[in-house]
Amino acid sequence: DQQVKQNSPSLSVQEGRISILNCDYTNSMFDYFLWYKKYPAEGPTFLISISSIKDKNEDGRFTVFLNKSAKHLSLHIVPSQPGDSAVYFCAASECGRDYGGSQGNLIFGKGTKLSVKP
Amino acid sequence: EPEVTQTPSHQVTQMGQEVILRCVPISNHLYFYWYRQILGQKVEFLVSFYNNEISEKSEIFDDQFSVERPDGSNFTLKIRSTKLEDSAMYFCATRDIPNFTYNEQFFGPGTRLTVL
Repeated sequence: DQQVKQNSPSLSVQEGRISILNCDYTNSMFDYFLWYKKYPAEGPTFLISISSIKDKNEDGRFTVFLNKSAKHLSLHIVPSQPGDSAVYFCAASECGRDYGGSQGNLIFGKGTKLSVKP
Repeated sequence: EPEVTQTPSHQVTQMGQEVILRCVPISNHLYFYWYRQILGQKVEFLVSFYNNEISEKSEIFDDQFSVERPDGSNFTLKIRSTKLEDSAMYFCATRDIPNFTYNEQFFGPGTRLTVL
């Protein structure tokens, strides 16, 4: 039961160009979405997030777009740099259930390996 | 910058043995999680912990698993009798006080558990 899907296991992009990583979800109760970046032998590093009340969030070179009707989000990296090469995980959670409790566990996609070539 | 730390970085054990994985959360964080990633697969939620009790657990978190915060700093995951299929990277994650629109969890570097 894949509630969060990243259908592209890998993506190769030229330095300076735009990288677009996609993510689809099936659970309409998800209301908070995050992107994590992961290098080998390290833990996931938080990159950017978006609440379901927004459709776009931007932080420097990184922009996340959310299309709730399509249950789709994407991460845009522009311009891409060789240091961006890593595995990118999309994650989703139901923050709305968090009435002082500690729900909000993250459901991850399988990841997309991004390679940015110089 | 504060960070989550985990020990050991790599644990090798024999099937049937008990293991304890340790995590030191970021100091002002109140919510703690364990996740695991089997090689080549996605990161999976195991358990969440708040106010000294389990808040939520997944189907993976069966009776062989337990968590506790014995001394107010370390947050531990215990596997009582390890199985071959428990071999994975185990990640601890923590976050701050809840906010309706805020759920950024900060992950530790992970412990690689190898069960022989």
